Amino acid sequence: DTGVSQNPRHKITKRGQNVTFRCDPISEHNRLYWYRQTLGQGPEFLTYFQNEAQLEKSRLLSDRFSAERPKGSFSTLEIQRTEQGDSAMYLCASSWPGRAGEQFFGPGTRLTVL
Amino acid sequence: RKEVEQDPGPFNVPEGATVAFNCTYSNSASQSFFWYRQDCRKEPKLLMSVYSSGNEDGRFTAQLNRASQYISLLIRDSKLSDSATYLCVVKQGGADGLTFGKGTHLIIQP
Repeated sequence: DTGVSQNPRHKITKRGQNVTFRCDPISEHNRLYWYRQTLGQGPEFLTYFQNEAQLEKSRLLSDRFSAERPKGSFSTLEIQRTEQGDSAMYLCASSWPGRAGEQFFGPGTRLTVL
Repeated sequence: RKEVEQDPGPFNVPEGATVAFNCTYSNSASQSFFWYRQDCRKEPKLLMSVYSSGNEDGRFTAQLNRASQYISLLIRDSKLSDSATYLCVVKQGGADGLTFGKGTHLIIQP
């Protein structure tokens, strides 16, 4: 399967713990995006990388959130000191250069903070 | 005011009928427009781009009205497999993150 993959698919954690999610984009895509989706809402943009450079961050991305893409391939999203409000589906997407509207999404990581 | 607004539905439509959704966007500088489809418990997938002149892909027709800042999607001869949530999506100029509406839930009934 050469689509976008995300791990883990589900994560349950206690409030205050740190969690890290991984995204492996489609190999030919140099752009990688993170979104968050809660029930009944559309995905909300968090941040975006072009190769290893983080070019855009939403105001939704608080100081507790950090994302990296160290070698321009896979990316990690870390949430520190998780809060119950962080419970959501975290979606990763990737795209070709110049085709940012055509984003291919992974299956997501569902985070539940107890 | 939300940047992209859609009627969440659900729209309950008999198989074979024609159904239309609208969406409005608030930022007049918005550059590109799309419809994505999301099945229950699945990731969103691009359905089609929306061009100023209107465009068609099989049973699906998308239109853009920049003056009124709305986008529409028409589905003809609806199939049971069209049941899904349809997300209206806007891309701002100079930014690559997409802005999604809440989605319109469509249920096609046999």
